[in-house]
Amino acid sequence: DIQMTQSPSTLSASVGDRVTITCRASQSITNYLAWYQQKSGKAPSLLIYDVSTLEDGVPARFSGSGSGTEFTLTISSLQPEDFATYYCQHYKINSPWTFGQGTKVEVK
Amino acid sequence: EVQLVESGGGLVKPGGSLRLSCEVSGITFSSHYMTWVRQAPGKGLEWVASISSSSSSRYYAESVKGRFTISRDNAKNLLYLEMNSVKAEDTAVYYCAREGRKVVAVPVAPGGYVLRFDPRGQGTLVIVSS
Repeated sequence: DIQMTQSPSTLSASVGDRVTITCRASQSITNYLAWYQQKSGKAPSLLIYDVSTLEDGVPARFSGSGSGTEFTLTISSLQPEDFATYYCQHYKINSPWTFGQGTKVEVK
Repeated sequence: EVQLVESGGGLVKPGGSLRLSCEVSGITFSSHYMTWVRQAPGKGLEWVASISSSSSSRYYAESVKGRFTISRDNAKNLLYLEMNSVKAEDTAVYYCAREGRKVVAVPVAPGGYVLRFDPRGQGTLVIVSS
C-alpha cells in the first residue's frame, strides 16, 4: 500500500498566520491527492481534490499544490474556524485509499 | 442536501458480531459507490471497505478481509457493514462516505475516486471489549 506521511504532526499558529502542511507519498500518485479537515467529533470534510481543486464552498484562503510524491496544503490567513486536524489522502487507481497521520493545527 | 447518517454501533465482546448502517439521502444512492472508513480513538483515518453502485464489486482492507462484509440496499438507500469475529483493534468510530470525482468511469479495484463524507456526521462508535 502507498504510505502517506504528513509533517508536522502538530502546528501552533495564530489567527492571520500563513500555514503550510506537507504530505509525501511513498510512490508517485500523480495528482490523485485530496485534503480533508476534521473537527472534533465530526466526520472529515473534503477541502481539496486533484491536488489543487477546491471543493464547492471551501474558502479561497485554502490552496493545494504539488505533484508526484510531494504536496502541500496552504492556508493563507488562518481563521478561528480553521483550528482543526488536516489529513491528506491518495486515491490512485488500483491502490487502497490511505491517509496521512494528520496534522493538528492548534492555537499558539 | 446530502446526508449520511451512520448507526448501529455499540459495545460488543471480542469474537462477537455487529451490523452498522448508513442511511443516505439527497443523492441518487443507486448510482454511487460507497465506502466505510474508521478512526480508532485518538488515531487517524483508515479505509475499511467499499462497494460498487450495483454491488458487483466489493473491496476490503487486509485488516478486515474475511471478517467484515459490506452490502447495500438500493431500494432503501442503505449501506451496511456486517462485522463478525470482531477484535479489540476494531474499536473505532465508523464513517460512511460516498463517491466523489472518479478517476476512471468504472473502478474495478480500490482507489480511483475521491471520498466525500458528511461533515455534519458523527459516525457510529464501535467498542470491542469483554
